[in-house]
Amino acid sequence: DQQVKQNSPSLSVQEGRISILNCDYTNSMFDYFLWYKKYPAEGPTFLISISSIKDKNEDGRFTVFLNKSAKHLSLHIVPSQPGDSAVYFCAASLGGSQGNLIFGKGTKLSVKP
Amino acid sequence: EAGVVQSPRYKIIEKKQPVAFWCNPISGHNTLYWYLQNLGQGPELLIRYENEEAVDDSQLPKDRFSAERLKGVDSTLKIQPAELGDSAVYLCASSGRLAGGPNEQFFGPGTRLTVL
Repeated sequence: DQQVKQNSPSLSVQEGRISILNCDYTNSMFDYFLWYKKYPAEGPTFLISISSIKDKNEDGRFTVFLNKSAKHLSLHIVPSQPGDSAVYFCAASLGGSQGNLIFGKGTKLSVKP
Repeated sequence: EAGVVQSPRYKIIEKKQPVAFWCNPISGHNTLYWYLQNLGQGPELLIRYENEEAVDDSQLPKDRFSAERLKGVDSTLKIQPAELGDSAVYLCASSGRLAGGPNEQFFGPGTRLTVL
């Protein structure tokens, strides 16, 4: 049973527009969430994180929103750039920022010029 | 700063053969992870080390998989014997407390294993 779900396998967005990637989770005990980006033939790279005590974290063009009541988080990329084209993984932890990570299946984002 | 190094990058073997993967974490990172990533899936934790101690190996199939992290730095993951279903990407990651920052994991490029 998937504890972290990314229900959209792919997303296509025009350059300059907003990309919204969604993630749902089932375990209300998760207390730390992360987004990773992965290019082909490379390992995932950390993008942004959020603690369960917050509902928003922003870093440049990237913002993560957390809705604990809905067990839902989203990653917003504004404006989207062709270099953002990659697979994005949502991950959750039970042990704060040091806990083991449980990953979703990923969403492939394509940003078209 | 050098990233997580893994070798080999690609490995093709026949079933029932042994195979080993090597990982060198980022200098100073005391936590090391091995993950398995199947096609179309996210990474799944196999084992986690704190220094040289395996603190979580609950997801490691111990009948055929083994791992070690001698001296708390480099690590090797071994499969013996390999099965067709072991074909996947094996990722190594490391983490260490940074001043004021989250303890996010840094991943290597992975080893893509194909078992024929």
